Amino acid sequence: DQQVKQNSPSLSVQEGRISILNCDYTNSMFDYFLWYKKYPAEGPTFLISISSIKDKNEDGRFTVFLNKSAKHLSLHIVPSQPGDSAVYFCAAIGGSQGNLIFGKGTKLSVKP
Amino acid sequence: NAGVTQTPKFRVLKTGQSMTLLCAQDMNHEYMYWYRQDPGMGLRLIHYSVGEGTTAKGEVPDGYNVSRLKKQNFLLGLESAAPSQTSVYFCASTLLRGGQPQHFGDGTRLSIL
Repeated sequence: DQQVKQNSPSLSVQEGRISILNCDYTNSMFDYFLWYKKYPAEGPTFLISISSIKDKNEDGRFTVFLNKSAKHLSLHIVPSQPGDSAVYFCAAIGGSQGNLIFGKGTKLSVKP
Repeated sequence: NAGVTQTPKFRVLKTGQSMTLLCAQDMNHEYMYWYRQDPGMGLRLIHYSVGEGTTAKGEVPDGYNVSRLKKQNFLLGLESAAPSQTSVYFCASTLLRGGQPQHFGDGTRLSIL
């Protein structure tokens, strides 16, 4: 029973265009949502987060949107760069223990 | 400033052998975590610790034990390795919970033959 779902295993985008990565969740009690980026042979690195009381958070080229009624969040990368090619994990914090629950990830490829 | 360091980076074991994975963090973080990542899967929580001397079970704890004798170290043990434990193991730490991002090590790739 997946609580955090990333339904697109992969996404290919042209350099300079927008990348949109999507994430759905089932638990309305989640407090925070985070996006991590992971390069091969490295650990995940934190990218951006959003509180459940907000609907948008922006940091440079990265913007996360939260639609609580649809239980959906998305990460927008504008403009996309080849160095953004990585696996992106959506994660949520909530529940009595406050631990991270990860989606399966989306592999983004940005082509020059 | 090393952050989160995992040792070893790679290991091959035979079924039934035991081993310990070490995680060390130099950020004075209270919370530490062990995850495993399998192909096509996200990271799944094995065990975690909310402070020195404490441990708790995560989503997939069976076959693993942990210890947090010192605040900076979190050890993951496999008493009798099984092929199903072939995975990449990540350690993470954070100062606070509730929205604070976790800092991850670079992983230990473990193969059980």
